[in-house]
Amino acid sequence: GESVGLHLPTLSVQEGDNSIINCAYSNSASDYFIWYKQESGKGPQFIIDIRSNMDKRQGQRVTVLLNKTVKHLSLQIAATQPGDSAVYFCAEFIQGAQKLVFGQGTRLTINP
Amino acid sequence: EPEVTQTPSHQVTQMGQEVILRCVPISNHLYFYWYRQILGQKVEFLVSFYNNEISEKSEIFDDQFSVERPDGSNFTLKIRSTKLEDSAMYFCASSWTEQETQYFGPGTRLLVL
Repeated sequence: GESVGLHLPTLSVQEGDNSIINCAYSNSASDYFIWYKQESGKGPQFIIDIRSNMDKRQGQRVTVLLNKTVKHLSLQIAATQPGDSAVYFCAEFIQGAQKLVFGQGTRLTINP
Repeated sequence: EPEVTQTPSHQVTQMGQEVILRCVPISNHLYFYWYRQILGQKVEFLVSFYNNEISEKSEIFDDQFSVERPDGSNFTLKIRSTKLEDSAMYFCASSWTEQETQYFGPGTRLLVL
């Protein structure tokens, strides 16, 4: 079936620490994954993506890791800042169906 | 930086009324989408649109829903007879190709009374 799930609904970290947000997916045929950040009252904002021919991709302060063996991906945010507080969604692109399947979301809270 | 825009930002309507939600996708994008998010829940796919026709639609997208690209810039979602359970945030998204990043608009918050 198609489902994308997140391991933790909430995550609190100290400002300056690193955050890791996890996500499991079930469609082994999916080959494109995206992390979105959603601030309160706003639309999902693209953070970083990864295709299945890679296992790691880095952006500015963010890294996405993909483990196809266990169908797991994670988002690492380095040196978290107050502006990183948001809900983070992983999304899986369902090829042929032209749609994204979103996970439930993890709320990241940065403590001062 | 190009962005997807949506109007209105908020819409309150009575049950049974028709609503039209409007979106202006990023100008050179070819694929257009509507998603919705009920308060506190995940984002759910409604419909994808390419080459002036629906490519894919979800079970949510029943006969009460329709989409249209009336001109070269706008993309609309119409709900013919709104129900209470249609209350949600509705997001428009667009992408350049099928398997490229989908960029989302800020959403329209629809409240059906």
